[in-house]
Amino acid sequence: KQEVTQIPAALSVPEGENLVLNCSFTDSAIYNLQWFRQDPGKGLTSLLLIQSSQREQTSGRLNASLDKSSGRSTLYIAASQPGDSATYLCAVYTGANSKLTFGKGITLSVRP
Amino acid sequence: SQTIHQWPATLVQPVGSPLSLECTVEGTSNPNLYWYRQAAGRGLQLLFYSIGIGQISSEVPQNLSASRPQDRQFILSSKKLLLSDSGFYLCAWSAGTGSAPQHFGDGTRLSIL
Repeated sequence: KQEVTQIPAALSVPEGENLVLNCSFTDSAIYNLQWFRQDPGKGLTSLLLIQSSQREQTSGRLNASLDKSSGRSTLYIAASQPGDSATYLCAVYTGANSKLTFGKGITLSVRP
Repeated sequence: SQTIHQWPATLVQPVGSPLSLECTVEGTSNPNLYWYRQAAGRGLQLLFYSIGIGQISSEVPQNLSASRPQDRQFILSSKKLLLSDSGFYLCAWSAGTGSAPQHFGDGTRLSIL
């Protein structure tokens, strides 16, 4: 059974800091991994999707990497801003039952 | 471009009452559709998914049911709500190919009294 872990559950950093959010998964047989952002009381916004054959994806100040063999992904946020404060979730797609398996998320607070 | 609509945004219902949450997708055809529940302190749990009209798969036995009466419409229902049905319900869609990203609606906050 696929399990996705995100540690720590919460993180607080000063504005301008570069930071890394970690995600690990137990079954390396994945099709892709997706990073999402969730603002309080809102739905999920897709940030980046990495296919299993890819090593990384970039969008603006965000860079996501994938090491499938070790079951790890990182989301790198450059020059963090207060507007980046949100919960960040990673999810893996294994192709079984069209199901995404989610981590519980990391709640990020960027202090001005 | 594709958009997903989910309503209502919030709902307060008494225990034992029925439920109907609706989700529609625009700008695409034959999407895969999903219902998730997000409970406080827990990750997102997939409840139902559908790969076509009338085709519903259930992930977790529970008090809820889903239907897909039209290609881009997905409905989550219950005949009698339980306190444990409280939570944040999210609808999502993806293109028919398995490796396509999933896109989420804004969610419905359901509180059971």
